[in-house]
Parts: sequence; C-alpha cells; structure tokens
Amino acid sequence: DTAVSQTPKYLVTQMGNDKSIKCEQNLGHDTMYWYKQDSKKFLKIMFSYNNKELIINETVPNRFSPKSPDKAHLNLHINSLELGDSAVYFCASSQDGLAGIDTQYFGPGTRLTVL
Amino acid sequence: AQKITQTQPGMFVQEKEAVTLDCTYDTSDQSYGLFWYKQPSSGEMIFLIYQGSYDEQNATEGRYSLNFQKARKSANLVISASQLGDSAMYFCAMGTGNQFYFGTGTSLTVIP
Repeated sequence: DTAVSQTPKYLVTQMGNDKSIKCEQNLGHDTMYWYKQDSKKFLKIMFSYNNKELIINETVPNRFSPKSPDKAHLNLHINSLELGDSAVYFCASSQDGLAGIDTQYFGPGTRLTVL
Repeated sequence: AQKITQTQPGMFVQEKEAVTLDCTYDTSDQSYGLFWYKQPSSGEMIFLIYQGSYDEQNATEGRYSLNFQKARKSANLVISASQLGDSAMYFCAMGTGNQFYFGTGTSLTVIP
C-alpha cells in the first residue's frame, strides 16, 4: 500500500547512457513532481505535472524529460548522462498542486550514480 | 534570493529534552504554507507538520509543534521529549503559488 513509489532505488550507469526513473502514486493526487537532491542535501524542484500537464519546468538541461502517461505516473528520462547528474531524485505528489496548502508526499528516492 | 533560511547546519540535543530548529522565510505573497520534513539516514522524506499563513493557531502534531511568528517571518519547529529516532536531517519548506522552496536543512543528533 505504498503511497508514492519509485523504481529503481539505486541506479549506477556510465556517462553518456540514457536512463529512466519511474514514479507511481496511488493517493489519487492530481499533481506530481520531480526533485533533485545534491550531495549537500539541497533539494530543488525540477518539474511538476498537474493532471498530465506540465506546470513547472525549472531550469534543467534538455537532457531531462518528464513523461506523464496518466495522472498517477510521472517518469523521468535522462539522456546522455553526465557526472554532474549524480544525485538522489525524488518523486512527490500532492492533491491539487496548490503549493500553499497542499502537502507533498515523497517517494523513497532514487540514488543515481554516473561513473 | 533565498526563500527559506535554516541557519543551523547541525544541532545536538539530549534525549528527552526539547529542541527548536529555526526557519525563516521570505515572501511577499499573502497566502502561503510552511512545512517541515524529516529525512532520516535511510533517505526518505517524511512530512511532519504544516502551517498555513492564515492559521492563527500554531500547528501541532504529537511531539512536533510549529512556532509561527508571521511578523518575523519565522516558522520554527519544536520537538518535545526528543528520542534517539529523531536524529535526522530536518527541512523547512514553503509553498506559494505553484512553487515550493526548501531550506538547506538542519542535521539533528539526539544524544543518549
């Protein structure tokens, strides 16, 4: 009965490869997010989707592309991986995407290591 | 400009004592929300407590309370009766409009 799940939990890959991280939520929420947590633990929002529509697209390289097949899923595809992409990536969801009142619930995180 | 400031990179507290983790925020919006999350060493982000900008009472959730001082733009987290399992990183966050901002976190260590 996991609320927000991500796969894989760990991802180790070579520079230049393409990889995807999957996220699913069973909370019935309308909005989903991707965050990046760097080695200093700083969390920064990358994208948010509301009902399959892109709402927030922060300044991230074009190599990162979110895909939302339905409102319960938000996958993150990364092309041509670079060393600097190594981080923990968190998926989150909230009821309506009203940041001032909606609590965001986070997945367990995916630790990406680029060699 | 930094929206959320947590000035304490690390804090120590004796088991069973109370501890306050500081958070100040910066916004010109009237409607916003303040959140605290806990990140234990296992890595997951756990929601702890929420305070809305229009809420007049300080939020409480079990041993957690949020000391909300709107005029000072502060939203400090108070943990009462600290337990060893409270050792973790704690993040303050603010949501406004459709944006969500996190602070840099405070690492709390509970000493037996």
